[in-house]
Amino acid sequence: AQSVTQLGSHVSVSEGALVLLRCNYSSSVPPYLFWYVQYPNQGLQLLLKYTTGATLVKGINGFEAEFKKSETSFHLTKPSAHMSDAAEYFCAVSSSGGSYIPTFGRGTSLIVHP
Amino acid sequence: DGGITQSPKYLFRKEGQNVTLSCEQNLNHDAMYWYRQDPGQGLRLIYYSQIVNDFQKGDIAEGYSVSREKKESFPLTVTSAQKNPTAFYLCASSIKHSNTGELFFGEGSRLTVL
Repeated sequence: AQSVTQLGSHVSVSEGALVLLRCNYSSSVPPYLFWYVQYPNQGLQLLLKYTTGATLVKGINGFEAEFKKSETSFHLTKPSAHMSDAAEYFCAVSSSGGSYIPTFGRGTSLIVHP
Repeated sequence: DGGITQSPKYLFRKEGQNVTLSCEQNLNHDAMYWYRQDPGQGLRLIYYSQIVNDFQKGDIAEGYSVSREKKESFPLTVTSAQKNPTAFYLCASSIKHSNTGELFFGEGSRLTVL
């Protein structure tokens, strides 16, 4: 079985501040981990993914995430928020235990203040 | 450009009517998926298909039906048996089912029942 927990349904930051969106997962086998971004009334776009290898993963738009097996976490960060980062962010996990069908978290809405 | 096309983007339906949402992809992907998105609930899997002429129920298949007669197409019918069909519906595809689980999404279809 696999599951994802995103802590905080809403995160509010000022423009230029650090962005930290939290994701913890549960998987009985090695996971693949993903972060997606969704703008209003649009589909999801892949930000970054961890499959194997380097645990610090860099994605588009300056985002990065670190896979920490001991903490079962895959938190998303960005050093400096921009107004255009305001969107909904989803963490997802897939694994052979789940037949490679991803399970999504409930999402975190990022609000960026001027 | 390769991608996933969902239509219509907005759809209104009266209670008791069936409605079909279209999903077409030209990515040559083997697997296709339908998700339902409701505020604060993340994405929930309705149906998925690994190959042509085969599909499986997801977590919330009741009141929905699908077909996969062509590799490129995976239409979803929301039947009158679906008790709360108002939602945002997302179609996705992946290269093959037993890949990492990375999904490519369409732009979504918003269904409102009047």
